[in-house]
Order: sequence, then C-alpha cells, then structure tokens
Amino acid sequence: QKEVEQNSGPLSVPEGAIASLNCTYSDRGSQSFFWYRQYSGKSPELIMFIYSNGDKEDGRFTAQLNKASQYVSLLIRDSQPSDSATYLCAGNTGNQFYFGTGTSLTVIP
Amino acid sequence: DTGVSQDPRHKITKRGQNVTFRCDPISEHNRLYWYRQTLGQGPEFLTYFQNEAQLEKSRLLSDRFSAERPKGSFSTLEIQRTEQGDSAMYLCASAQGGDYSIQYFGAGTRLSVL
Repeated sequence: QKEVEQNSGPLSVPEGAIASLNCTYSDRGSQSFFWYRQYSGKSPELIMFIYSNGDKEDGRFTAQLNKASQYVSLLIRDSQPSDSATYLCAGNTGNQFYFGTGTSLTVIP
Repeated sequence: DTGVSQDPRHKITKRGQNVTFRCDPISEHNRLYWYRQTLGQGPEFLTYFQNEAQLEKSRLLSDRFSAERPKGSFSTLEIQRTEQGDSAMYLCASAQGGDYSIQYFGAGTRLSVL
C-alpha cells in the first residue's frame, strides 16, 4: 500500500511568520513529489514539485526532499491570510499518484 | 481557470441510476487522470490515460466504474448502479508528456447519490 502521510492540523500561524508543512511517504520507489493548495470548495492547484534531494525555492515557497528519510516538507515564508487553505502532498510511482489527506493552514492577520 | 473543464459541475441522482461525467483536458496535454475526493480526504487516484490508452486503473476501483478517452481528447467517466458511497467530488486532471507530469485540475463534478 503506497501512502503519503500528513499531519491534518489545523496549523495556525500569524501573518508574516513561516509556516512549515510536513509529509512522509512509504514507497521508496516514489519518484517525484508535489505540493498542491486547495481552497475550500475548489480544486487543487499546484504550488511546487520536487524530485531531487535538497531544497527547491520558488518565491515565498521552499520545498525540501529527503529521500533517505522519506520526508518532504513545504515552507511558506512571510505567510499571508490568502495562504489559508489545505495543503496536499502527493507522490508518484510511475503513472499513479498518491495524495495525503492534507494539512489545513490558517494564517491569522 | 486551469483550462481543464468538467461537466456537469453538480449531479444529483437516485441510487441505482447510471451517471456519466465529461472532462475536456488542456488541448496539448496527452495525459489525463481521474480522481475521487471525499470531504477531509485527499484525491484518490482512479485511472490514467495516455492519449486514448487507459494505462492505469486503481485496483480498488469497482467494476461499476468505467472510463474512456476516445481519440485521445475528452474523457468520460461512467458510474453504473450508483450507491450512496459514490457521493464525492470527481476530479479530472491533465498533464503534458514528460518526466514530471505536472497535473492541472478541473473544477470537478460533485455527485450526490440520494
């Protein structure tokens, strides 16, 4: 059973703080990892993807992958109220994608 | 708007009826995925097409579910003899070929089975 595990939260951070979201995965054969943001009642939208060990930065977002520990994280710097959403971690093995249950983030103004 | 469109947006049906959903992917995308999402859960993979070929299907998927992608363009997902447990959001995503399969999701079809 391929699984992606996330802490469901809720996670609350004050505006301007760093939000840290974490994800672990069970299948060492997983190749790439994706972070999606999903607002209530909306479909997921891609924030970042990562496939190599280390950090990948895009604006206020940094994804981190540690394949030895089977761990993926997403850091959101200078959090804004508009970042309040559910963040989904996903991995793929071949053509199948596995999503976590999501972490609910609230950024408090 | 990601460019992936799904129709209908909402569907209410009675238990035992058949329903069909349609997905139109981004035109240059040859990969198409169907997912099901229930409240508080992440999307659950259902099936995957590359062009017109259905290459992956979840082993958990009931045989009441069938999907097609004729001519490698739009796709349909049919659920026969619907059950209340089928109530969910059905999401379609498309991606270009390539190594990293960045998927773009449609707005989804919300199914309610009464």
